[in-house]
Amino acid sequence: EIVLTQSPGTLSLSPGERATLSCRASESVSGTYLAWYRQRPGQAPRVLIYGASRRATGVPDRISGSGSATDFTLTINRLEPEDFAVYYCQLYGSSPLFTFGQGTRLEI
Amino acid sequence: EAQLVESGGGLVQPGGSLRLSCAASGSTFGPYVMNWVRQAPGRGLEWVSYFSGRDSTTYYTDSVKGRFTISSDNAKTSLYLQMNDLRTEDSAVYYCARVNPFDENGYFTGLWYFDLWGRGTLVTVSS
Repeated sequence: EIVLTQSPGTLSLSPGERATLSCRASESVSGTYLAWYRQRPGQAPRVLIYGASRRATGVPDRISGSGSATDFTLTINRLEPEDFAVYYCQLYGSSPLFTFGQGTRLEI
Repeated sequence: EAQLVESGGGLVQPGGSLRLSCAASGSTFGPYVMNWVRQAPGRGLEWVSYFSGRDSTTYYTDSVKGRFTISSDNAKTSLYLQMNDLRTEDSAVYYCARVNPFDENGYFTGLWYFDLWGRGTLVTVSS
């Protein structure tokens, strides 16, 4: 079973700053199967990035994904108030079929 | 615009059963892969089960195998999750979530991510 470890657990920043969120896989994976989601309080998650670096429809270009093998990064430039939420990385694999990281809380 | 709407959650005693439903409005989920993903209170996301609209293939996470059954109606407009022998650790918000690994021409893209989510339904297992 591949484990996804996100860091940091909590990231405290201010509007206008840059956020860098990490997702590390316990073994090498294909970036094709790596996605990032944002979840605001009381809401369902929403996909931001898929295929490690492709932005989902409607996602602004100040949000970007990068990485390969075991290390993946979500970068959010010029933080806006609506960016403060919990972020999850997700992997499609063998067992279990889909795995999520434990999440990073981005707070003001 | 496609939407997913879950229902059927509630309070049930340990060992009891519940049947969750997910209605797809705006389209059927025939071409897609439909899933249940849950989130315990204050916790992260956990994938639970998978249903292929193309060939009805199903998969489950280990902790629910033999207790949960995923299915759909013949029209592929409603997805179900029959949950039996419920445990306190099954308490969570259950989301219906869609994966579309095919492009607009029907070609397989190999991209497996959840592109559409419902708002969730809360299941509480407690005596």
